[in-house]
Amino acid sequence: IQMTQSPSSLSASVGDRVTITCRASQNISIYLNWYQQRPGKAPKLLIYAASSLQSGVPSRFSGSGSETDFTLSISSLQPEDFATYYCQQSYGTPYTFGQGTKLETK
Amino acid sequence: QVQLVESGGGVVQPGRSLRLSCAASGFTFSSFSMHWVRQAPGKGLEWVALTSYDGSTEYYADSVKGRFTISRDNSKNTLYLHMNSLRPEDTAVYYCARDRGYSYAHNLDYWGQGALVTVSS
Repeated sequence: IQMTQSPSSLSASVGDRVTITCRASQNISIYLNWYQQRPGKAPKLLIYAASSLQSGVPSRFSGSGSETDFTLSISSLQPEDFATYYCQQSYGTPYTFGQGTKLETK
Repeated sequence: QVQLVESGGGVVQPGRSLRLSCAASGFTFSSFSMHWVRQAPGKGLEWVALTSYDGSTEYYADSVKGRFTISRDNSKNTLYLHMNSLRPEDTAVYYCARDRGYSYAHNLDYWGQGALVTVSS
């Protein structure tokens, strides 16, 4: 299963609302997870099962979608949100990741 | 608290072998499937392998199938990745991660800090 994220990079400012999309090459139901990775750090789970917020993750993060099309939204960017974001399908092995979206300061 | 600590990384020549370990604590290790995920320098995340909670089932990425073996010792709360016939393209930071299970869409909710493997002559 191929996962395609867009855009590959995104420039935004603190307070902006941003949306990242992820498309699966086949129907994966809601087996879609989102991770945040800061430089030099391990990935951190943000959203699982397409729209469920992981415990401890701020509510400005939200996910939606099903089958092949998914989105990750951040409602009001904070300085700590500038990082790289990955989607991952867990419908079947291999559990493929998207290529990543780097969120940068404008 | 949940902790995953990788060890065993280093520099190795092409064609040689290396074994990574991931020591788990703070949860019932034998109840969870576990994964290895890697990240080449400056690149994205690549899923590598999965073992079921009891070690009876394994899955691999095509890029490592036949060369890498994932295993676990539930008595020692430790996950392993045995890497044979290493290639320069296997150079990466290797992360172990916990699979939260079917009811949670098999998300990877805890990750180790990573172990760097460099394959170079």
